[in-house]
Amino acid sequence: AQSVTQLDSHVSVSEGTPVLLRCNYSSSYSPSLFWYVQHPNKGLQLLLKYTSAATLVKGINGFEAEFKKSETSFHLTKPSAHMSDAAEYFCVVSDRDSWGKLQFGAGTQVVVTP
Amino acid sequence: EAEVAQSPRYKITEKSQAVAFWCDPISGHATLYWYRQILGQGPELLVQFQDESVVDDSQLPKDRFSAERLKGVDSTLKIQPAELGDSAMYLCASSFFGLAGEDGELFFGEGSRLTVL
Repeated sequence: AQSVTQLDSHVSVSEGTPVLLRCNYSSSYSPSLFWYVQHPNKGLQLLLKYTSAATLVKGINGFEAEFKKSETSFHLTKPSAHMSDAAEYFCVVSDRDSWGKLQFGAGTQVVVTP
Repeated sequence: EAEVAQSPRYKITEKSQAVAFWCDPISGHATLYWYRQILGQGPELLVQFQDESVVDDSQLPKDRFSAERLKGVDSTLKIQPAELGDSAMYLCASSFFGLAGEDGELFFGEGSRLTVL
């Protein structure tokens, strides 16, 4: 069975400061992990993915995430927040034996203040 | 850039009425998903198709929901009768998955927002 826990439902940051979104996962097999972003009234867009290659994954718009197996974590970071980063972010896990079935976290709402 | 198309974008209906949503995936994508996203929550898988076959519909309320993908291309999700608790965003996604079920990126449409009065 697979599951994912996003540790913060809301994160508020000032523009230009670092962003950290925390995610812990549980998986019976070697997982693939993803971060998706959803802007208001829009579909979800893939930010980055981990599929057993490099543990530090770089994505679009300056985001990156590090896979830590010992901590079962996949936290998302960005060195400097931009106003356009205000959105909802979802951490997602997929087991290799589940036909690509994705398990979404509950989401983290990011607010960026000037 | 190829996109997943969904219609309608917004639907308001009264309870007990029938509702249908349509999805056209990216050309060549064998796998198609319907997700339901209740406000403030993450998307929940309703049904997954591999070509025209249902791979997973374990979370689909089959007494009122149905989904089909007759020719393995576009898909329709139907609700009959709609209930107040069905108010949500219905998201369609597609991916190019090999028969081995390798992980890959899902491409989402913009969704169909349903409001049941």
